[in-house]
Amino acid sequence: GEDVEQSLFLSVREGDSSVINCTYTDSSSTYLYWYKQEPGAGLQLLTYIFSNMDMKQDQRLTVLLNKKDKHLSLRIADTQTGDSAIYFCAESPSFYYGNNRLAFGKGNQVVVIP
Amino acid sequence: GAGVSQTPSNKVTEKGKYVELRCDPISGHTALYWYRQSLGQGPEFLIYFQGTGAADDSGLPNDRFFAVRPEGSVSTLKIQRTERGDSAVYLCASSRGSGLAGNTGELFFGEGSRLTVL
Repeated sequence: GEDVEQSLFLSVREGDSSVINCTYTDSSSTYLYWYKQEPGAGLQLLTYIFSNMDMKQDQRLTVLLNKKDKHLSLRIADTQTGDSAIYFCAESPSFYYGNNRLAFGKGNQVVVIP
Repeated sequence: GAGVSQTPSNKVTEKGKYVELRCDPISGHTALYWYRQSLGQGPEFLIYFQGTGAADDSGLPNDRFFAVRPEGSVSTLKIQRTERGDSAVYLCASSRGSGLAGNTGELFFGEGSRLTVL
């Protein structure tokens, strides 16, 4: 089954880098995602990585994927106050079958201190 | 509008009552998903529609929950005999259909309907 695990809380100073980690269980997931949720707002896709990649860089975001350990991380460089939010990793175990259903972790709350 | 629209944004009801939550997806998106998010948790999958049909309803917790999408666009999530444990934010998401070139599976979420059962 799908079971995505994340640690819960991270406090970081503005300008520093922040790293959020996640472990997942379904090795058949085609894509792995990072979603951002700000207070009172819907979930928004931040970035994603295809399962045959090890790393993806997208401006201030770096995603690392370790398939052997089923470990996914998100690094945010030069963290800004607008990055304060809850971050969810998600896997797509049924994507291959045409179902984009996602299994989400519990989320990491990131608080950026000015 | 350009995004996924959900109504009502807030609903307070009494235990045992019937509730309907509505989702209007992004125009042209054939796939529609319902999730439930309890306080301090990540979204939990409920049901997936491809067009008018429920392609995957394995996440519905019991037979009090039902969803329809009669014309392949707007969807309604229906909850009968509500219980206090149903209190949560119900999220709707839509995406381009599967099998399309360049489809990365991105889901576009609405802001949710917060349901409180007293």
